[in-house]
Amino acid sequence: EVQLVESGGGLVQPGGSLRLSCAASGFSFSDSAMHWVRQAPGKGLEYVAAISNTGGSTYYGNSVKGRFTISRDNSKNMLYLQMGSLRAEDLAVYYCARSRGFITYMDVWGVGTTVTVSS
Amino acid sequence: EIVLTQSPGTLSLSPGERATLSCKTSQSISTTYLAWYQQKPGQVPRLLIYGASNRATGIPDRFSGSGSGTDFTLTISRLEPEDFAVYYCHQYGLSRTFGQGTKVE
Repeated sequence: EVQLVESGGGLVQPGGSLRLSCAASGFSFSDSAMHWVRQAPGKGLEYVAAISNTGGSTYYGNSVKGRFTISRDNSKNMLYLQMGSLRAEDLAVYYCARSRGFITYMDVWGVGTTVTVSS
Repeated sequence: EIVLTQSPGTLSLSPGERATLSCKTSQSISTTYLAWYQQKPGQVPRLLIYGASNRATGIPDRFSGSGSGTDFTLTISRLEPEDFAVYYCHQYGLSRTFGQGTKVE
C-alpha cells in the first residue's frame, strides 16, 4: 500500500524553527519527486516546496523562500522540511505528497501534521 | 507567479444537477500542467483530473475536465451526495499554485 506519514509538527514560538518529516512506503521513493503543501485552518491549499527524485532540483513557494529548506534521504525513504524564522501565518496542516516526476501532478498525499506558531 | 482564480466561490446545487466550476489563470499555461483536486471536510485532497482533462485512477466518468490557455473547467455531470466538497485547481508548471477553491454545497 502506498503510504505517506508526516511527523514533527507541534507548537513553536514566532521566530523559532521546526523540522517536519515524511516517511514513505509502498512505492519507489527514489524514483519519485516529493512535495510539501500546507493548509491554514479554514483556508485553501498553499504550495510550499518540491524536490526532485535525486534531490538535485528544488522549488519553493514565494512565502517560504529563504526560510524553509526541503531535503530527502533516499536511503531511509524520508522527506524533510526544515522550517525557520517561523511566523504566525505559517500555522497550518502540512501535507507531504508524491509525484512521478518533478514537474507533474501530485497523486498521493499524506494525512498531514499540524504546525502551530504562537508565543 | 501564476495566479489561479476560481469561480464561483460557492455553488449551491442539488443531487442530480450539473456542476460547472471555472479556473482562470493569470497567464496562459499548457494543458499538461493543470490538475483538479477534491477535498472533503477533515480529509486529504484527492486527485481528480490531471493534464486538464485526464481522469485519475478510480475517478468516476461523471467528472470531466476541459479548457486551454487561461480558461479551464471542471464539470460534474450529475452530482452524487458524495460529491459535495471543495474543489481546487492547481497548476504545476514552472511555478506551482492553487486556486482558492470552489465549495459545492
